Amino acid sequence: DAGITQSPRYKITETGRQVTLMCHQTWSHSYMFWYRQDLGHGLRLIYYSAAADITDKGEVPDGYVVSRSKTENFPLTLESATRSQTSVYFCASSRDRGQPQHFGDGTRLSIL
Amino acid sequence: QQQVKQSPQSLIVQKGGISIINCAYENTAFDYFPWYQQFPGKGPALLIAIRPDVSEKKEGRFTISFNKSAKQFSLHIMDSQPGDSATYFCAASINFNKFYFGSGTKLNVKP
Repeated sequence: DAGITQSPRYKITETGRQVTLMCHQTWSHSYMFWYRQDLGHGLRLIYYSAAADITDKGEVPDGYVVSRSKTENFPLTLESATRSQTSVYFCASSRDRGQPQHFGDGTRLSIL
Repeated sequence: QQQVKQSPQSLIVQKGGISIINCAYENTAFDYFPWYQQFPGKGPALLIAIRPDVSEKKEGRFTISFNKSAKQFSLHIMDSQPGDSATYFCAASINFNKFYFGSGTKLNVKP
């Protein structure tokens, strides 16, 4: 039971570069979420998806792009990375609305 | 503006003691209030959750107290153990879509 996996676990890149964080779940959960975690802010929702090809903005979507062509994958792309996007990024999934969210172990992203 | 305000930022409790973490919110449209536990290097994991039509929910040593009129809710950990040392987050949701998290409380239970 692989569950939900994020890759890479660690990433260092430079400002202006494009970077994609991957999220894969093996449960066929309908809902998937992307959060960023920063000290003093807790977790903030970036984007979420209710099903394949359905995505919606969260609290802090600016500078990020998502897609969901397949139920099991929900990649997050930073099209032109900025230092303010240095953070720990968590992906989560839930079977349906109202069901518990299951989180991956995160990607620590540093932008120099 | 943070939608859910959490306190304290850190907490030290002796083994066997009670840990209490508080959260407050303003948006009365919130209809689901979960608590998450996070260990270093791991993602948060759901601990316990409550709906606003209930004033208290207990699961083992963990209890949520909910005060709808004051727009506050709290997590009580009874008989705290060193294994409970972690960061705890409260959260609130509208219709289970958008979740808003508190800033977290780092709990250290001393043996």
